[in-house]
Amino acid sequence: DAMVIQNPRYQVTQFGKPVTLSCSQTLNHNVMYWYQQKSSQAPKLLFHYYDKDFNNEADTPDNFQSRRPNTSFCFLDIRSPGLGDAAMYLCATSRVLSTQDSPLHFGNGTRLTVT
Amino acid sequence: KNEVEQSPQNLTAQEGEFITINCSYSVGISALHWLQQHPGGGIVSLFMLSSGKKKHGRLIATINIQEKHSSLHITASHPRDSAVYICAAPSGGTSYGKLTFGQGTILTVHP
Repeated sequence: DAMVIQNPRYQVTQFGKPVTLSCSQTLNHNVMYWYQQKSSQAPKLLFHYYDKDFNNEADTPDNFQSRRPNTSFCFLDIRSPGLGDAAMYLCATSRVLSTQDSPLHFGNGTRLTVT
Repeated sequence: KNEVEQSPQNLTAQEGEFITINCSYSVGISALHWLQQHPGGGIVSLFMLSSGKKKHGRLIATINIQEKHSSLHITASHPRDSAVYICAAPSGGTSYGKLTFGQGTILTVHP
């Protein structure tokens, strides 16, 4: 089945130690998103790629970076994780950029713990 | 005031009951998303609809674009339906890839 896969499911990192979360998709969708979701809060969009074009949300901290080496893969790099970065990180894809024209397909998320 | 408002915020039901969750939005959109999230889990897209009604199994979603209102119905509810249900509206403007999320409705279905 075509899907969005996130690895790992759970990630523990130390304060200040760089960490990378990965997302892959078999849907061949043009758009890939990274969301951050803290406990009992709505997901917050960090950035998205439309093909190779990277779009950063204005309030996304510089500590968060992303790479998309090809259509299938997208990575979220947190350069120096702080305790406040502990959250569920959700990857999503869509066929086209407009969320008025295409549903989002989410992965199962990576829960990040910072110790 | 959030641009997307859901009600109720918490909903408890007995197995078999008919459930309705409502969503009102103030932004001008042509489509609305309904999402489901189980505790500690990822998000599943249930519906994206721009008019009328859509049905998938026991789930039915309706929307009235003119009144800026949508409802999600669950018929013959089951404990496995227990989850957070979220409606989300495209943010529009130049941020076409962005969704504005409602605060979610926590549904608990007891056997």
